[in-house]
Amino acid sequence: DAEITQSPRHKITETGRQVTLACHQTWNHNNMFWYRQDLGHGLRLIHYSYGVQDTNKGEVSDGYSVSRSNTEDLPLTLESAASSQTSVYFCASSLAGAADTQYFGPGTRLTVL
Amino acid sequence: GENVEQHPSTLSVQEGDSAVIKCTYSDSASNYFPWYKQELGKGPQLIIDIRSNVGEKKDQRIAVTLNKTAKHFSLHITETQPEDSAVYFCAASFGNEKLTFGTGTRLTIIP
Repeated sequence: DAEITQSPRHKITETGRQVTLACHQTWNHNNMFWYRQDLGHGLRLIHYSYGVQDTNKGEVSDGYSVSRSNTEDLPLTLESAASSQTSVYFCASSLAGAADTQYFGPGTRLTVL
Repeated sequence: GENVEQHPSTLSVQEGDSAVIKCTYSDSASNYFPWYKQELGKGPQLIIDIRSNVGEKKDQRIAVTLNKTAKHFSLHITETQPEDSAVYFCAASFGNEKLTFGTGTRLTIIP
């Protein structure tokens, strides 16, 4: 069965370190999204991609970057982790863009000390 | 940009009763309104969605209604069951633009 996976599931890091969160999908979807989930804010879009070599900024993109070298993967990089980036991160993919069913991964809980 | 407000933030109902969660949106051009359910420790999962060319959509015990004039939409769950306990998120988008999510409603079904 097709799926979307994230790794690691839990990560503790220190302020200033570079961190990369992995997202891998086997749906063969062109569209992939990264969200962060914080209490009181729901899900906020960080970056998204509509295909290989395409990346776009979401509403909370400062301090984050993504790259899309193939259809299956969209890694999220925190260039210099900050305590404000402590959150739960979700990756999602869809067949026909944002206004289509988005399939979410299980999430990565990141703690920045 | 789009702003989506969701109420209530928590909701407790007796098993078998109905639950209603409401969302309002700010951009009158928005035309796609999905609802996602998130169980503990998992990612959100789409349960139902509606587009602006219809006013209501049903799927078994779940229904969504849309009032474009008032810019609000609601999720209705009838005959609630323990497995309905979860966090529910509404969202809105225009065309194929990015989804804007509400802040979530934690629904608890009391046996």
